Amino acid sequence: GAVVSQHPSRVICKSGTSVKIECRSLDFQATTMFWYRQFPKQSLMLMATSNEGSKATYEQGVEKDKFLINHASLTLSTLTVTSAHPEDSSFYICSAKATDGSGANVLTFGAGSRLTVL
Amino acid sequence: GQNIDQPTEMTATEGAIVQINCTYQTSGFNGLFWYQQHAGEAPTFLSYNVLDGLEEKGRFSSFLSRSKGYSYLLLKELQMKDSASYLCAVSPSSNTGKLIFGQGTTLQVKP
Repeated sequence: GAVVSQHPSRVICKSGTSVKIECRSLDFQATTMFWYRQFPKQSLMLMATSNEGSKATYEQGVEKDKFLINHASLTLSTLTVTSAHPEDSSFYICSAKATDGSGANVLTFGAGSRLTVL
Repeated sequence: GQNIDQPTEMTATEGAIVQINCTYQTSGFNGLFWYQQHAGEAPTFLSYNVLDGLEEKGRFSSFLSRSKGYSYLLLKELQMKDSASYLCAVSPSSNTGKLIFGQGTTLQVKP
């Protein structure tokens, strides 16, 4: 089946630094990828939709200058958390749309990246 | 607005059957998904319903009633490894592919 690879799985950084998270679709092309954030014991909240070759679409309340998204190829999207602060500490998960055996568009998730900002 | 409701927690016994309900109110509807998520891991796809009725996949089944804005996930012959969070998600549009998630139901399976 479709696999989405996400890296790094864990990252610890100092406040004020920037962190880049990569999301790759393996064995399939993804013109669209999605970035979610999940705080402890909460559900996934969509942050932005990453579109290959064009600007990302951000959800309401998500700062586009703080969470930079680049989708330069059909298999890679990156999320950069700029000037990270402790409140940005969270579990960031990317996903890409693949097709299951019935033809339904199913989101396949990466393993997630746990960011801790000191 | 978009609203998806699930119970926060459930407990069941190994070998039993458990039903996790989900109700939704969204601006559009292009299918409902159930995902399983173990602590600290990414969600994994369980099932998809777009038409009314029951979809069965081994020990897991999912039901949808579009007129009632209601779905449930049925887990049979519960195993300890089924202890996880179960996320109900709705696709509001066929164009974007994005999903709106409920808060998730944490299921604890006891011996």
